[in-house]
Amino acid sequence: KAGVTQTPRYLIKTRGQQVTLSCSPISGHRSVSWYQQTPGQGLQFLFEYFSETQRNKGNFPGRFSGRQFSNSRSEMNVSTLELGDSALYLCASSLAGGETEAFFGQGTRLTVV
Amino acid sequence: SQQGEEDPQALSIQEGENATMNCSYKTSINNLQWYRQNSGRGLVHLILIRSNEREKHSGRLRVTLDTSKKSSSLLITASRAADTASYFCATDAYGHGNKLVFGAGTILRVKS
Repeated sequence: KAGVTQTPRYLIKTRGQQVTLSCSPISGHRSVSWYQQTPGQGLQFLFEYFSETQRNKGNFPGRFSGRQFSNSRSEMNVSTLELGDSALYLCASSLAGGETEAFFGQGTRLTVV
Repeated sequence: SQQGEEDPQALSIQEGENATMNCSYKTSINNLQWYRQNSGRGLVHLILIRSNEREKHSGRLRVTLDTSKKSSSLLITASRAADTASYFCATDAYGHGNKLVFGAGTILRVKS
């Protein structure tokens, strides 16, 4: 069974640009969550999608957005990039969310210069 | 905001020794999960313990949960150099769907 796949693995962008990250969950999993990991703030929850609907949202500005497609694949978008957006972005998939294990992808390392 | 607090922040032991990491959290939870992360890569799921469970085992891992003290511990027995990694606990607050709140993590170094 294939794991969670995130693309791209590495990305370098310039301040002010926008970026789209992709996540393909484990087959059959309907919940996809996104997390940001930085040395200063640790792992922080961005949002969760379940059956194409955003079910939970963390405390991030509106520049951070996401969506989920009918095949459960998810994308997150960050507009008007800032230096502080440099981070490891992790995607997690789970069967239904809530009481089930969450499995993470390898992450996308975003560097904003 | 981070709900979990891991203790210690860093731990250095010799191969073959046991490693114990502790996690405390603040609110009622649905379940608690432990993850391992190697050098800034993805998180590897280790074990999930539900709020109505007190202890769980998986191979060399033993997890305990004390909901009255809002704390959990992860014990790795007979540690190996390959266990060197950061370990995180993550809580899933009841009724909040899949929204994991992570602690700051414990950095474990196993010397061979």
